[in-house]
Amino acid sequence: GQNIDQPTEMTATEGAIVQINCTYQTSGFNGLFWYQQHAGEAPTFLSYNVLDGLEEKGRFSSFLSRSKGYSYLLLKELQMKDSASYLCAVRDRYQAGTALIFGKGTTLSVSS
Amino acid sequence: DAGITQSPRYKITETGRQVTLMCHQTWSHSYMFWYRQDLGHGLRLIYYSAAADITDKGEVPDGYVVSRSKTENFPLTLESATRSQTSVYFCASGPNSNTEAFFGQGTRLTVV
Repeated sequence: GQNIDQPTEMTATEGAIVQINCTYQTSGFNGLFWYQQHAGEAPTFLSYNVLDGLEEKGRFSSFLSRSKGYSYLLLKELQMKDSASYLCAVRDRYQAGTALIFGKGTTLSVSS
Repeated sequence: DAGITQSPRYKITETGRQVTLMCHQTWSHSYMFWYRQDLGHGLRLIYYSAAADITDKGEVPDGYVVSRSKTENFPLTLESATRSQTSVYFCASGPNSNTEAFFGQGTRLTVV
């Protein structure tokens, strides 16, 4: 099965950079996803990594190391609207078909 | 409207009642999923479906039933609701096994 760990809470200041880490253990790794979820809303897709390395999308970047079972989401030039929960999820070809298995999420609070 | 929609958005029901949560997507995605989200647990997979008439259990299926007679619909039924099933329920869909999942807006269910 999977074991996905990420910090429960983080705080940061507007304009700063924050890195949210995620570690996972899975038998048939087939992709890692990051989602953003504002309070009371649905999760929305941020990034997808299946190969090692960095994927950049504007202010957001995601990194994957399959050998270490490790990923991070990097948020630059933080804005107040980035205050949200960030969910790490993995897809495992041997578990739950194509379904994403989620960690418990990291709540990020951005202050001015 | 295009996309994935859930109904109702809010529901209060009594213990022992049967209740059905609806999920409809207009993208003709093959894959559909049901998750529940609770504080301290994150998103947990209840059931998933790879195509019409194909469904399978996720991490927490007990007390729930699903069906998928048409590609676009994936209803979730609580056969006899219990207070422990008070939660926010999210439906999601995806076109294939290599892409992200897209989430509906969620149904907040309270069992009293």
